[in-house]
Amino acid sequence: AQSVAQPEDQVNVAEGNPLTVKCTYSVSGNPYLFWYVQYPNRGLQFLLKYITGDNLVKGSYGFEAEFNKSQTSFHLKKPSALVSDSALYFCAVRDQGGSQGNLIFGKGTKLSVKP
Amino acid sequence: DSGVTQTPKHLITATGQRVTLRCSPRSGDLSVYWYQQSLDQGLQFLIQYYNGEERAKGNILERFSAQQFPDLHSELNLSSLELGDSALYFCASSALGTPNTEAFFGQGTRLTVV
Repeated sequence: AQSVAQPEDQVNVAEGNPLTVKCTYSVSGNPYLFWYVQYPNRGLQFLLKYITGDNLVKGSYGFEAEFNKSQTSFHLKKPSALVSDSALYFCAVRDQGGSQGNLIFGKGTKLSVKP
Repeated sequence: DSGVTQTPKHLITATGQRVTLRCSPRSGDLSVYWYQQSLDQGLQFLIQYYNGEERAKGNILERFSAQQFPDLHSELNLSSLELGDSALYFCASSALGTPNTEAFFGQGTRLTVV
C-alpha cells in the first residue's frame, strides 16, 4: 500500500533563512508525489508535483522539492522563508490502486516563520 | 481560487440529524473526491466519483453516502450524526484520465455536531 510520512509535526524557521519540510514515501510502483499548503480556515492549495524527469521540481510561491529515489524522499524547500509562508504543509502520494487513484496524505507539518 | 465550490461553508446541527454537503467541481473535471479532516485523524479519503460512477472508497462510514450527478456536481450525505463527525469536509476535483494530475480543493464545509 502507498503511504507518505512527514516526520516533523512542526518546523520553525527565521525569516530569510532556507526552509525544508521533510517527506518520505512508500509506493509499489512509480511514485506520483504532491505538496499542498493549507492556510488557516482555507482549503488545500496545490504547490508542486513530481511525476518523472528532473529530480528538482519547481512550484508556486518560490517553493521547490527534491525527489530522491534512493532515500524515498520528497522534501519541500525554499531558499528564503517569508512570514507569510507560515501554514500547514501536506505531502501526498497518488494511490495507484484505482484507475486514477485518490491522494494519500501525510499528517502535515506546521511551518512557523518568525520575523 | 481553485474553481471548486463547496456549500455551505459552515453547518451546525444536532446529533442524530442528517445533512447534505454540496460540491461543484472545476469546469471540465470529471473526478470528484471527498475528504474528511479532523484533528486526530488528519486528512482521510472518503470516496471518489468519476463521471457519475463511484470509483474508489476509503474510510467512509455506512452512515455516509455520496453521489455525482449528470452535471458533475456531487453531494455528500451524512446521517445519524454523532459528535465525532464534527470535522472539516473537503471536496476536490481533477481532470480525467491520468494519475499524474493534481487535485484542486474547495474551501471546505466545517460541520459541527452538537
